[in-house]
Amino acid sequence: DSGVTQTPKHLITATGQRVTLRCSPRSGDLSVYWYQQSLDQGLQFLIQYYNGEERAKGNILERFSAQQFPDLHSELNLSSLELGDSALYFCASSVGAASGGEQYFGPGTRLTVT
Amino acid sequence: AQSVSQHNHHVILSEAASLELGCNYSYGGTVNLFWYVQYPGQHLQLLLKYFSGDPLVKGIKGFEAEFIKSKFSFNLRKPSVQWSDTAEYFCAVNAGAAGNKLTFGGGTRVLVKP
Repeated sequence: DSGVTQTPKHLITATGQRVTLRCSPRSGDLSVYWYQQSLDQGLQFLIQYYNGEERAKGNILERFSAQQFPDLHSELNLSSLELGDSALYFCASSVGAASGGEQYFGPGTRLTVT
Repeated sequence: AQSVSQHNHHVILSEAASLELGCNYSYGGTVNLFWYVQYPGQHLQLLLKYFSGDPLVKGIKGFEAEFIKSKFSFNLRKPSVQWSDTAEYFCAVNAGAAGNKLTFGGGTRVLVKP
């Protein structure tokens, strides 16, 4: 157990819908990261938040957005869902924001878009 | 942009055999290098990391990796594998950019036959 929790574990929804994935970082960690793992794209970095502020952005679609709340939990919002959005979404956390900090990964949320 | 390539997608070997997984990255500057492992049904866990210093890095569970700067490589090794090493292994790089994003290789699925 890494100490990072994600809910829900599984999510099945239809195309065009909107979902919210939730992540709670390890106690004491200020940075939260979101990654997408799909068969065709592999593991891809989406976005990083540090203490409530966006810190780095990767290949995140405009239909996707994220935020980090004052209690440091984070939510990833996916809207206008397409079949290709089906993937495993991982959250990770680290103490700081700087390069090289060890990231601890959660168990992931498996999203299936039908 | 950074990229990471893992040469083998699937590796099958018997217990007690030696394991070497290749990883090459493309980035000319200073890099931080990681190997993560994902056991079936579990979250990503850090095996080892390289930031600087001795290019031979020892990690958990008997794994080690060697950073060869001239070859842009960070290969993972284990002298004698066990059935419990059956997992997917990911090489990752963190370099240069603001924040702490990880760029992952495509992963190598390792199956150890008892």
